[in-house]
Amino acid sequence: RKEVEQDPGPFNVPEGATVAFNCTYSNSASQSFFWYRQDCRKEPKLLMSVYSSGNEDGRFTAQLNRASQYISLLIRDSKLSDSATYLCAVISTFGNEKLTFGTGTRLTIIP
Amino acid sequence: SQTIHQWPATLVQPVGSPLSLECTVEGTSNPNLYWYRQAAGRGLQLLFYSVGIGQISSEVPQNLSASRPQDRQFILSSKKLLLSDSGFYLCAWGDRPNEKLFFGSGTQLSVL
Repeated sequence: RKEVEQDPGPFNVPEGATVAFNCTYSNSASQSFFWYRQDCRKEPKLLMSVYSSGNEDGRFTAQLNRASQYISLLIRDSKLSDSATYLCAVISTFGNEKLTFGTGTRLTIIP
Repeated sequence: SQTIHQWPATLVQPVGSPLSLECTVEGTSNPNLYWYRQAAGRGLQLLFYSVGIGQISSEVPQNLSASRPQDRQFILSSKKLLLSDSGFYLCAWGDRPNEKLFFGSGTQLSVL
């Protein structure tokens, strides 16, 4: 089983809709969780950290479910500019802080 | 503020040629530094990471090597490139202790 798994998509969503992605992780001792956004041929950019209590940044909401070992990203009122690949990342090796990335979920917002 | 510089942006190299990619970080001291590779349509693969000068950990055995000659300089090298070395190479620095990663703009390497 991969350490971090994501549905690769693509997700084709009409503008204005709400879309959600999940990301599962295999190591129950994982400590920190992040969502990154990557545009085509560009570097990943940190979108938001994921806290145990859940957190929101504008139209974006991230949640952590430790019992089921997954994190989620919800995008409300999607914009054309949200089209990108969304990568989840997990610090999965206890005591040796290295980020492991999922392969990403590709999102296309359709006008 | 912290910035990370990575160059070159694109590189086309023949099989068997050497490689040197350089990455420097400004505005922070003693960062964790990383080299990742992303093959076309694939995820990010961690190649090397460094917690300090001269300290390199390798994640995947291959014909690549890394060095950290100075606190904020990280170099990825190869003596002889293979076709399979083609990909998008990304340098990153880690914001301790939460280890948020911030990436350089990447190098698209094509080995022909």
